[in-house]
Amino acid sequence: SQQGEEDPQALSIQEGENATMNCSYKTSINNLQWYRQNSGRGLVHLILIRSNEREKHSGRLRVTLDTSKKSSSLLITASRAADTASYFCATIAGGTSYGKLTFGQGTILTVHP
Amino acid sequence: NAGVTQTPKFQVLKTGQSMTLQCAQDMNHNSMYWYRQDPGMGLRLIYYSASEGTTDKGEVPNGYNVSRLNKREFSLRLESAAPSQTSVYFCASSAPVRGRDNEQFFGPGTRLTVL
Repeated sequence: SQQGEEDPQALSIQEGENATMNCSYKTSINNLQWYRQNSGRGLVHLILIRSNEREKHSGRLRVTLDTSKKSSSLLITASRAADTASYFCATIAGGTSYGKLTFGQGTILTVHP
Repeated sequence: NAGVTQTPKFQVLKTGQSMTLQCAQDMNHNSMYWYRQDPGMGLRLIYYSASEGTTDKGEVPNGYNVSRLNKREFSLRLESAAPSQTSVYFCASSAPVRGRDNEQFFGPGTRLTVL
């Protein structure tokens, strides 16, 4: 079964607005990663946050991690039409789950020009 | 660098037929993975190979076999295809740093239909 659950399932915004996606998970983790998938393409890694980190930035992306609530959020600021894609969170569980990414179901983001 | 390549891009099989999906990476990564993605869902891990010579089951291994041919290549075989295996298959690789997990790099996918 999939560990991550993402919210919302779909998000539609105007160019220039911010987009926030949330991810919840069930077990302890080593790290949490966010990926983007353009329609019909493979996944592209966006950002990785480790379990001992609380916030991380990369360009227009801001990721937060709250291990006490087992949740993470991805904020995309000043969105562009090119940000239209599906966004997935993925976790690597603690212990011996080395390399085993467990994906959420994803959020479909549509940015209107 | 080509990154992660997969062949074929598309395939249609009849129930009971067999086929092998090929994956290769040129990034000198130790770890490689096979996932499947069904409509409206995230990816699920089928098998992975932490290093050359080792393979392990993921979440949904039934009906599949894998071979880590060398450090570059990791193939996925369907011995007797079933309609439930209709999906998009992604290969990925990663290079853990000092024993810590790192990002995974994905291929473009193989779209498989089993009739």
